[in-house]
Amino acid sequence: EAGVAQSPRYKIIEKRQSVAFWCNPISGHATLYWYQQILGQGPKLLIQFQNNGVVDDSQLPKDRFSAERLKGVDSTLKIQPAKLEDSAVYLCASSLGRDAKLNTEAFFGQGTRLTVV
Amino acid sequence: QKEVEQDPGPLSVPEGAIVSLNCTYSNSAFQYFMWYRQYSRKGPELLMYTYSSGNKEDGRFTAQVDKSSKYISLFIRDSQPSDSATYLCAMRFSGSARQLTFGSGTQLTVLP
Repeated sequence: EAGVAQSPRYKIIEKRQSVAFWCNPISGHATLYWYQQILGQGPKLLIQFQNNGVVDDSQLPKDRFSAERLKGVDSTLKIQPAKLEDSAVYLCASSLGRDAKLNTEAFFGQGTRLTVV
Repeated sequence: QKEVEQDPGPLSVPEGAIVSLNCTYSNSAFQYFMWYRQYSRKGPELLMYTYSSGNKEDGRFTAQVDKSSKYISLFIRDSQPSDSATYLCAMRFSGSARQLTFGSGTQLTVLP
């Protein structure tokens, strides 16, 4: 089974520039998450999609971050304009869906390491 | 106060040692408890999954949840150098939302 695919793996940009990350979840997974992991910290949820609808974006800095999941499959996360504190690994994860009885949890991609200079 | 507290380590043990990793949490509504392993420059990988209180064993790994104390543990028996990684505890509420709240991770090194 193919895992969660993310690209690019690494990105270096200057502050105030824009950047976009792409994620392709595991086939058949209805739920997709974007997490931000700052060095030395655990991942923090930015946004959760169920199919192509947003379930939770309460921790997404909406003045600069945006995300979409068109057609309920691939997703992109964009930052515009970037700040120094956005330097982090951006992890995409996916899971099967709503049924809480299913013993399935989130599977993570390798992440995109963003450095803002 | 963070919702999930985890000792960041680093923790260094000799090969074959028993490792104990722990997290405490403040929200009693958490129902599902996970341990993820994260190798350097990789995404987190699900290791153990437990619902509510109790123990769960999988090979050399044992997960314990004590909801009355809001305390979870992961034990690794006969630790191997390949176990060297950062271990993240994570938890979530019941229901369809399923988003995880993570601890900050404990960095473990098993020395050969």
